[in-house]
Amino acid sequence: GENVEQHPSTLSVQEGDSAVIKCTYSDSASNYFPWYKQELGKGPQLIIDIRSNVGEKKDQRIAVTLNKTAKHFSLHITETQPEDSAVYFCAASKGAGSYQLTFGKGTKLSVIP
Amino acid sequence: DVKVTQSSRYLVKRTGEKVFLECVQDMDHENMFWYRQDPGLGLRLIYFSYDVKMKEKGDIPEGYSVSREKKERFSLILESASTNQTSMYLCASSLSQGPGYTFGSGTRLTVV
Repeated sequence: GENVEQHPSTLSVQEGDSAVIKCTYSDSASNYFPWYKQELGKGPQLIIDIRSNVGEKKDQRIAVTLNKTAKHFSLHITETQPEDSAVYFCAASKGAGSYQLTFGKGTKLSVIP
Repeated sequence: DVKVTQSSRYLVKRTGEKVFLECVQDMDHENMFWYRQDPGLGLRLIYFSYDVKMKEKGDIPEGYSVSREKKERFSLILESASTNQTSMYLCASSLSQGPGYTFGSGTRLTVV
């Protein structure tokens, strides 16, 4: 089955700096890659996703890049703010009738004011 | 605003008790999932369901069962709770064609 590795497990950045979280996946058939943000005491929320026919997607301060050849994808957060502090999960799925997601183990991001 | 609602935020149960965790979604989603979340282990899939009365085992089904009698409701059952089932339990739902899940806020279960 699919295996998703996520690094780093913890990340501390100064407010205003950029943060990058990286994930690799094992199954070349995977074609959908979402990112979730989990704030303290809440369930994970989808923040951005990308499909395998796209190399990069941006939404304001957040961007995701995908390298299908290397089977890795990354989350980029620019101009970090204290409210970006949370646990971030990457995930992968094959889609097309099989939307079961395989999650990475998560990255705890701390933004230091 | 679409929602996945888990009936309890916090639960404390005794070893050996039968425990029911309830999840209801109002989005007419076909798929529903139960995960447990533990520090350092991420999200691990317990059971999922693609349709009413249908269930599939996930990665860690031992000690759990599920019930889906109605499309909007997916219940997780701990037949005989044990201390190693102390965890955060997350329910999620999605459309059959996806993509992406909507999660509930979670139930933190403590078994003493």
